[in-house]
Amino acid sequence: DAKTTQPPSMDCAEGRAANLPCNHSTISGNEYVYWYRQIHSQGPQYIIHGLKNNETNEMASLIITEDRKSSTLILPHATLRDTAVYYCIVRSVNTGTASKLTFGTGTRLQVTL
Amino acid sequence: DTAVSQTPKYLVTQMGNDKSIKCEQNLGHDTMYWYKQDSKKFLKIMFSYNNKELIINETVPNRFSPKSPDKAHLNLHINSLELGDSAVYFCASSGPSETQYFGPGTRLLVL
Repeated sequence: DAKTTQPPSMDCAEGRAANLPCNHSTISGNEYVYWYRQIHSQGPQYIIHGLKNNETNEMASLIITEDRKSSTLILPHATLRDTAVYYCIVRSVNTGTASKLTFGTGTRLQVTL
Repeated sequence: DTAVSQTPKYLVTQMGNDKSIKCEQNLGHDTMYWYKQDSKKFLKIMFSYNNKELIINETVPNRFSPKSPDKAHLNLHINSLELGDSAVYFCASSGPSETQYFGPGTRLLVL
């Protein structure tokens, strides 16, 4: 699976949009971009994933550049409860067998009043 | 309803003991995983089972033995516990979409 690069930390004011970037310049054609977050040592929580089109769900939006070498996770109205470590993970799917998630160091997002 | 559950939540034990951690998922998923998160917060896969068959086995000491009695359960047995085994162990499961859903974790402390 391709390697990802994320800033180690970011701050965001409550109520504002949090934009978390991720670089994955070596991503291959069959690899998806996944985002998980971990709130204070709880189990990692799935947020969203995408292949090449932008995606949106009730939690967040995922913007993937046209060349797929980078992406941005957007939390439209961050709250204090969104304070967590956010992991961007690239992995292939539909390979017929389960594949592991390779977690990096992630971005620690601190949402402040 | 809890999708992926683990027991116990906390486990404190002495070096040399044998202990088990249990995981159950009620999502109807075919694939289950064990991950380990060490003190530096790195999260790494240990094992994966698909339909009770071992399909991923990372470089893990053979003191760790996963057991899957059925598709909904994946237990982790650890023999001869060592100080370095202290960590948080997460179970996860995935279905046809291959999106993995994690349990709350078991915090193991070996004294």
